[in-house]
Amino acid sequence: ETGVTQTPRHLVMGMTNKKSLKCEQHLGHNAMYWYKQSAKKPLELMFVYSLEERVENNSVPSRFSPECPNSSHLFLHLHTLQPEDSALYLCASSPGARGATNEKLFFGSGTQLSVL
Amino acid sequence: GENVEQHPSTLSVQEGDSAVIKCTYSDSASNYFPWYKQELGKGPQLIIDIRSNVGEKKDQRIAVTLNKTAKHFSLHITETQPEDSAVYFCAASKYSGGGADGLTFGKGTHLIIQP
Repeated sequence: ETGVTQTPRHLVMGMTNKKSLKCEQHLGHNAMYWYKQSAKKPLELMFVYSLEERVENNSVPSRFSPECPNSSHLFLHLHTLQPEDSALYLCASSPGARGATNEKLFFGSGTQLSVL
Repeated sequence: GENVEQHPSTLSVQEGDSAVIKCTYSDSASNYFPWYKQELGKGPQLIIDIRSNVGEKKDQRIAVTLNKTAKHFSLHITETQPEDSAVYFCAASKYSGGGADGLTFGKGTHLIIQP
């Protein structure tokens, strides 16, 4: 157990649905991240929150909308997704804020998303 | 930006033998190089990391070497065991501050330990 919990583990949705992914960390970390993992591709950083403030958005389509209500919780709101958005979505946290020297990432087990 | 290449994509070794996974990076300013292990159904987990002021680091059966001149680093696993079967990712940090959001990952190596 890494201390980072993601729900749901699996999600199937149609292109017109609206759903949300949830992430919770019990480690007292200051930064949280959303990554997308597709087969045969490197992990893609989507969003970073440091001290509850979004610090980076790597040109992610607006159909993905993050929310960080506090330092322990992170959401990814999904709407009008495309089949190519099917992937494993990983949440991670790290002790320091952006630019801190401690760069270790602690990942959750991910949400396997299928868009039909 | 930073580009990390990882080889091989799949590696099969006999139990007890050694395994080596290699990565190259493009940005000479990168100074932090972690390795993550991802088991089936789980997220990646950090297993070892190295900084640019060190050439080699070892932790029991796992070691990482770094050649800054050639811009490549490698993961070495000795006396492999069935529980070493997983996907391994290398990464490089592109920001001088070394923040985690600066990590660029390789595509991963699927390591298979044959009994």
